[in-house]
Amino acid sequence: AQTVTQSQPEMSVQEAETVTLSCTYDTSESNYYLFWYKQPPSRQMILVIRQEAYKQQNATENRFSVNFQKAAKSFSLKISDSQLGDTAMYFCAVVTGTASKLTFGTGTRLQVTL
Amino acid sequence: ETGVTQSPTHLIKTRGQQVTLRCSSQSGHNTVSWYQQALGQGPQFIFQYYREEENGRGNFPPRFSGLQFPNYSSELNVNALELDDSALYLCASSSDRGRPRPHEQYFGPGTRLTVT
Repeated sequence: AQTVTQSQPEMSVQEAETVTLSCTYDTSESNYYLFWYKQPPSRQMILVIRQEAYKQQNATENRFSVNFQKAAKSFSLKISDSQLGDTAMYFCAVVTGTASKLTFGTGTRLQVTL
Repeated sequence: ETGVTQSPTHLIKTRGQQVTLRCSSQSGHNTVSWYQQALGQGPQFIFQYYREEENGRGNFPPRFSGLQFPNYSSELNVNALELDDSALYLCASSSDRGRPRPHEQYFGPGTRLTVT
C-alpha cells in the first residue's frame, strides 16, 4: 500500500514570490509516478506536474518545478512568481502498477495575497 | 477544462435511497476511475473501469458499484445511502495507449452528493 503525507495544511505567499509545498510518500514499488494536482475553489482537479520515479531529472512546467529526492521519498513542489490564480488546494499523489489507482495526501491550502 | 464531464452537479438524497452518478470520459480515453472526496480531505479511490471491466477497487463496501459502457462513459451507483456518503464524487479518465501518458488522470468537475 502507498501512503502520502503533506505536513503543511495551509500556506500563504505574496504575489510574485516563491513558495515550496512539501510532500513525502511511501511505497514498496520500484516503478511509480508522482503527481501534483491543484484544486481551485471551483473544485475541478487540475494536473500541475508529473514525475516518473525512474527519472533523476526534476520535472518542470513553466513556473512549477519539483524537487524529487527518491532516497528520502520526498517530492516537493516549487511555485515561482506566484499569481493570484494559484490560490487553491494542492494535492500530492502517487500511483504504482497498472491499476492507476492514485493515492492522495490530505492537501495543502495555498493562499496567494497581494 | 479537461473534457471530462459529470452529472448531475449537485444532488440531495435521503438516507436509505439509491443514487446514480454519471461520467463521460475525455475523447480517446478508455479508463475511468472514481474517487470520493470528503470535505477537507484528499480523494479516496473507489474503483476503476477499463474496457468495461472493474480493474481495481478501493476499501469501499459492495453497495458502491459501477459500470462502464462501450463508449467508455461510466456510472457510479450507491445503494442504501448513509450520512457518511455525503461527499464530492470525482471521476477521472485516462488511457493506456499513446498520449496522454499512462497513469495520467484527468478529472471532471465532480458531483456534490448530500445525504440527509
